[in-house]
This record gives sequence, structure tokens and C-alpha cells, in this order.
Amino acid sequence: KAGVTQTPRYLIKTRGQQVTLSCSPISGHRSVSWYQQTPGQGLQFLFEYFSETQRNKGNFPGRFSGRQFSNSRSEMNVSTLELGDSALYLCASSLSRGNTDTQYFGPGTRLTVL
Amino acid sequence: EDQVTQSPEALRLQEGESSSLNCSYTVSGLRGLFWYRQDPGKGPEFLFTLYSAGEEKEKERLKATLTKKESFLHITAPKPEDSATYLCALGGDKIIFGKGTRLHILP
Repeated sequence: KAGVTQTPRYLIKTRGQQVTLSCSPISGHRSVSWYQQTPGQGLQFLFEYFSETQRNKGNFPGRFSGRQFSNSRSEMNVSTLELGDSALYLCASSLSRGNTDTQYFGPGTRLTVL
Repeated sequence: EDQVTQSPEALRLQEGESSSLNCSYTVSGLRGLFWYRQDPGKGPEFLFTLYSAGEEKEKERLKATLTKKESFLHITAPKPEDSATYLCALGGDKIIFGKGTRLHILP
């Protein structure tokens, strides 16, 4: 069974630009959660999508948004990039919603904002 | 407010030297305590889920235990390949991860 895939793996952007990251979950998984990981703050929950609807949201500004498609693939968008948005962005998929089930993580997208 | 604190932040052990990693938590209603392993530049890899106090789970050299206030990840006779960052997390609508313990096993 293929694991969670994320594209692109690496991305370099400048301040003010926007970026879209993509995540393909494990086949059959309907929940996709997104995380931001930085050395200072660790792994922080961004939001969860289940059946094309955002179910839960972490404490991040509205510049961070996402969506989920009917095949459960998900995208995350960050608008008006700031230097502090440089981080490893991880997505994870699971069978059920609510972040109480085992989550399987992708390799992440390393975003650098210059 | 739900919280997770992991200790120590970093731990260096000799190969074969057993030890334990701690994950202290406060939560209004436990909906799963997760342990993950993360290697540099990679996404976290699932290890265990614990749902109730007294529960224990084992996998190779690792054993996870849970009380009402903390969880331990016991590592028995570790090998250099066990070197990684170990993360614990509280399950729930806004899942909360600890900052992790960086474990380094010296050959």
C-alpha cells in the first residue's frame, strides 16, 4: 500500500508570495491533517479535512487555508508569505476524523521564505 | 487547557543502556496518547497509541505505558539505529504534540 505523498518536497519563495502544497493520503483514508514543524515551536496542528470539509482548525492566521477534493487529496495554501512561515509542512492521513486515530505522515514539504 | 510536556529534551546513551522517556500531560478527557518516532528530514513514524491508564504496548525494544498523568517510553538495550526524536501527542480535535526527546545512542 502506498504511503502518504507530498509535493513538492522543497520550495523556496519570497516574502509576499503565496504557495500551494499538495498531499495525497493513503488509499481509503478520508481524513487529512496538516501540520507546521519548526525548531522553536515543534509540531503544530494547522487543520483537518474529512469528506471535503474542514473539521478542526488550529491557532493559525487566516493566511493559512486548505481544501480537500472528492478523492481525499488535499491542498494547503499560504498567502502573503512571511519569513516566519519557513518550516517543514507535514500532512497526515487516517481512517477516521477527529485526530484520535493512528495518523500516517508524509515526508513533508520544506518551505523556505526569503 | 490541554498540555503535553516531554522530558528530557535530549538524551545520550551507550548502546545497551536502557532508559525511559517521559511525557507528562493534562487533559480534560483523554482521547488517545500517541508516540511517534521522527528521523531527521522525515515525517513522524507511528509507534503506539494508548487510550486508558494502565495500558501497555510493546514493539521490539520499545514499551509504552500510560498513567492518568504521564506516559513513559521505555527503551531496552537500545541500538544506534534507535537514535531519533521521539514525540508524544494528545489526540483530539486540536491534537497537541510535545516538543520531543532527541535520543542519541552511542555505539
